[in-house]
Formats: sequence, C-alpha cells, structure tokens
Amino acid sequence: DTEVTQTPKHLVMGMTNKKSLKCEQHMGHRAMYWYKQKAKKPPELMFVYSYEKLSINESVPSRFSPECPNSSLLNLHLHALQPEDSALYLCASSQVKGRGDSYEQYFGPGTRLTVT
Amino acid sequence: GNSVTQMEGPVTLSEEAFLTINCTYTATGYPSLFWYVQYPGEGLQLLLKATKADDKGSNKGFEATYRKETTSFHLEKGSVQVSDSAVYFCALTDTTGGSYIPTFGRGTSLIVHP
Repeated sequence: DTEVTQTPKHLVMGMTNKKSLKCEQHMGHRAMYWYKQKAKKPPELMFVYSYEKLSINESVPSRFSPECPNSSLLNLHLHALQPEDSALYLCASSQVKGRGDSYEQYFGPGTRLTVT
Repeated sequence: GNSVTQMEGPVTLSEEAFLTINCTYTATGYPSLFWYVQYPGEGLQLLLKATKADDKGSNKGFEATYRKETTSFHLEKGSVQVSDSAVYFCALTDTTGGSYIPTFGRGTSLIVHP
C-alpha cells in the first residue's frame, strides 16, 4: 500500500472557525510533512514530524497547529485563518535517514481550503 | 545551500511531439534526484528518480539521466500525449548533507494539444 489519504478533500471555513485536516499512511514511513501549495507554485514546507516528534517548523503562524498522534496519522488544526491562507494543503510521508538510499516522498491528494 | 532550477513554462506541444524539460541543480553533497508530476486537482506523485551519477530513471515513457558533470537531470519523452498535460517538478534530496527534506524546483507546466 503506497497510498497517503487526506480528509476532507474540500473545506470552506470562516475566519472564526476551528477545523482540522487529517492525513494517514500505512507504509511504515517515520517522517510526515505538511505543505502549503498555491496555484502553479511548488509546495512550501510547513512542518516535518520525524518519529512522531516535530522536527521542523518553517516559521508558520500559530493559527496552524500540527499534531502527530501516532506513526500513521498527522493532523493540522486550523483556527482564526485569514483569506490568504486559502490554498491546497498537502500531506506527504517518506523514510528517514538510515532506512534506505533514497527518500522520495509520497503525497496525498490534498485538501483544497477556502477561507471566507 | 541546495537549489533546483527549472525552465519556465508553460511548455505547449502538439500530441506526439518530443518533450524536454530542463533541470539543473546545486547541492553541497551528493544528491538523489527526482521528477514529480502533478495532474490537475491532484497531489504530487513520483514520476522517476536517480540516485547516482549516470543513472537513468524511467517511467511511463519519460526518462532522465543524472549528469554530475553538468549538474543536470533533464526530463524527456519521445512522444507526448494529451494525458501528459500536468505540472512537472524537479527535486533533490541531499542526504549526504544530513537532510532527507527535498528541495523543489519552481515547476514547469506542460500543455499538450490534440
């Protein structure tokens, strides 16, 4: 199974709402990632979890709060977002250093988020 | 630091034309190189990869050769189809630098007309 799943597929939320994005993988990968992607641009790294611990936070505003409950699940909690946060949010997973000789990422289909 | 430079798009071709999308890289160590493809409305998916010099990655008729001397990893396909219309991202992972986090190029949009 080389699939990364994400829910929901689409999300519309107001600036005062609280919502969560979910991601799941069953490939045994111990690194999981959140990316933000604007149209026709490369993905921008937001957070990296390695062995369920937050290892990278790319100066993301605190209105985005990641959580890694176990090695298969990754959440992104959203609160008080701004319209400029509207984007495609991608989850990915990969092996970590020492487990193989290449570290390709497996991406989910993304959540299309619109903030009104 | 590491960087990936891709040709600017969009690249517009007729069906059955030959495709080349250029990619060059800068890395402090000895990277692995990747091409990812993103079809409309989807996430990225790995198209092909190469992990050492002179390796050729190939998949679905696409090919790319890891050229250390020119620090390049150009994507080619002999005969494109309408279904190849997508955005293509070149990327590297420089694990010799101690990181498995990829560096992506800007992406190149390919439009194939019937």
